[in-house]
Amino acid sequence: NAGVTQTPKFQVLKTGQSMTLQCAQDMNHNSMYWYRQDPGMGLRLIYYSASEGTTDKGEVPNGYNVSRLNKREFSLRLESAAPSQTSVYFCASSLARQGAQRGTDTQYFGPGTRLTVL
Amino acid sequence: AQRVTQPEKLLSVFKGAPVELKCNYSYSGSPELFWYVQYSRQRLQLLLRHISRESIKGFTADLNKGETSFHLKKPFAQEEDSAMYYCALGEYGNKLVFGAGTILRVKS
Repeated sequence: NAGVTQTPKFQVLKTGQSMTLQCAQDMNHNSMYWYRQDPGMGLRLIYYSASEGTTDKGEVPNGYNVSRLNKREFSLRLESAAPSQTSVYFCASSLARQGAQRGTDTQYFGPGTRLTVL
Repeated sequence: AQRVTQPEKLLSVFKGAPVELKCNYSYSGSPELFWYVQYSRQRLQLLLRHISRESIKGFTADLNKGETSFHLKKPFAQEEDSAMYYCALGEYGNKLVFGAGTILRVKS
């Protein structure tokens, strides 16, 4: 099993360009997440998908859109990149059994995408 | 708002010395707390969770509700413990709120 995979590994964009970060998991997990990691700020949740067909905003959703294409795939799109979006982006997934669950399920992370916006 | 505070950006200790990585949280209710670790060139991964009350790689963490803390401890640091450590708080909907992280450097 590959676990959580992300593409690309690195990307450089110019201000105003758009791009999509891809994420896939092969663990049959229900929930998927997108985080950004910035020095001194830790990981901040951008968007998440509790289950196939649903998406919700996290702490820092502005400037991003997401698509939960199917149970395996969860993409993050930057429509018009800005220098403030320079960051390392991590995708994660968790089993997240149905019901009123809190963060009890382990999140499994991808290797990250390092994005620079000039 | 739920918050997780890790006051140290960098903690540097000598091999064999005790380690304590601090984590404080604010949460109105019964918290679920975790430590995640990212070793160099590896993925972020779960180290331990408070409900398991287990020791992983010699690390333990006790939830202190009175002090709202969940400090990570190890009696004797090893060089392979050098990594970035994140404290995280479980949130409704199977989400996590992460602290800013602490880099642990173990010197030989």
